[in-house]
Amino acid sequence: ETGVTQSPTHLIKTRGQQVTLRCSSQSGHNTVSWYQQALGQGPQFIFQYYREEENGRGNFPPRFSGLQFPNYSSELNVNALELDDSALYLCASSLFTGSGANVLTFGAGSRLTVL
Amino acid sequence: AQSVTQLDSQVPVFEEAPVELRCNYSSSVSVYLFWYVQYPNQGLQLLLKYLSGSTLVESINGFEAEFNKSQTSFHLRKPSVHISDTAEYFCAVTRNSAVTGGGNKLTFGTGTQLKVEL
Repeated sequence: ETGVTQSPTHLIKTRGQQVTLRCSSQSGHNTVSWYQQALGQGPQFIFQYYREEENGRGNFPPRFSGLQFPNYSSELNVNALELDDSALYLCASSLFTGSGANVLTFGAGSRLTVL
Repeated sequence: AQSVTQLDSQVPVFEEAPVELRCNYSSSVSVYLFWYVQYPNQGLQLLLKYLSGSTLVESINGFEAEFNKSQTSFHLRKPSVHISDTAEYFCAVTRNSAVTGGGNKLTFGTGTQLKVEL
């Protein structure tokens, strides 16, 4: 059973640029979520995808967008990067079965630095 | 909406001593509760969870947490810590409901840095 893998692990961008982060879900999982963890803070929910559609979003502007593919992998796109976007971006997958809690499995994260 | 308060940002403790990391939550609906651990430069690993049933839950590495509904708490305890337990610990909550494809949004606390010293 493979876990959640994210790429790239580290990247540096400049203000105004765009970035795409990628995530492969754990085998057998059908839901993916993205979280932003700023330095010294807890993770903040960005959004969640199920059946290739966004079905939950946190308090993030529209320049944060995503995709879920038929194989349940996912991308997080951030446009017009700002300095405050510097953070660890965590992808998490889970299996939604229609009842009960979806227990998330997190990847190791992509650390984005915006200069 | 849910919220989580972790009352201690840092907890220093000597090896083999007991430790308690405090977590309180706020929610208008029933919740599921989690503890995650984050080692330096790594992602989050699930330590233990409370979904239903016994209010005392245990992990495989000696940690335990007790769900106290009346005090809205989910404190994490270990009777004897090891150097390898040094990490950041996050308490998280999600609402207890099966929304289509959802119920996944975790609300995290700000974390407690556990530092185990010799």
